[in-house]
Amino acid sequence: DAGITQSPRHKVTETGTPVTLRCHQTENHRYMYWYRQDPGHGLRLIHYSYGVKDTDKGEVSDGYSVSRSKTEDFLLTLESATSSQTSVYFCAIKGYQGGGAYNEQFFGPGTRLTVL
Amino acid sequence: GNSVTQMEGPVTLSEEAFLTINCTYTATGYPSLFWYVQYPGEGLQLLLKATKADDKGSNKGFEATYRKETTSFHLEKGSVQVSDSAVYFCALSGNQGGKLIFGQGTELSVKP
Repeated sequence: DAGITQSPRHKVTETGTPVTLRCHQTENHRYMYWYRQDPGHGLRLIHYSYGVKDTDKGEVSDGYSVSRSKTEDFLLTLESATSSQTSVYFCAIKGYQGGGAYNEQFFGPGTRLTVL
Repeated sequence: GNSVTQMEGPVTLSEEAFLTINCTYTATGYPSLFWYVQYPGEGLQLLLKATKADDKGSNKGFEATYRKETTSFHLEKGSVQVSDSAVYFCALSGNQGGKLIFGQGTELSVKP
């Protein structure tokens, strides 16, 4: 198993409160990703990082921010949670392949977030 | 933009039946294609992959062939088991930061 953990694994919060989810890796991989999983939508990319302090938006980034101050940690923050952000959040990591087309990502166990 | 479309589920089969889950894609250039599997309560695991046209990915009895002419990557297994019950996701990567585009997932239930 890839060394990737997520915390917390479950969280219930109220609308309007800030929430931070943490992804931690022990693989020293360059790329890290945050996805959300919703019924009928599969997984959709929220934000990703291609190095320390280097991040970019995915297809559903509104209402989310991220930070990566060190290689092993990638934080996802909901500044003011809304009910539409109730979802299962997955972190993924990927090593640098040096110009090849091989893009295997390894996924964490997920965080189930409920916003009341 | 890039997109992936999977057949809708749930799919219910009897043990030892033949499985096909259809996946088609839209992409510019030459994407890599993947099948991921998610068992209940777990994260996603890579099942198989193909990185160029006509490649066949295979793992645990599952197979999928990268068909550029039909823009498809259908998943097949000759004889499913109860333990194959899971959600299967087709995905592509266009090498833009390694980002994955997923289909909506297909739930498979195999009955004894």
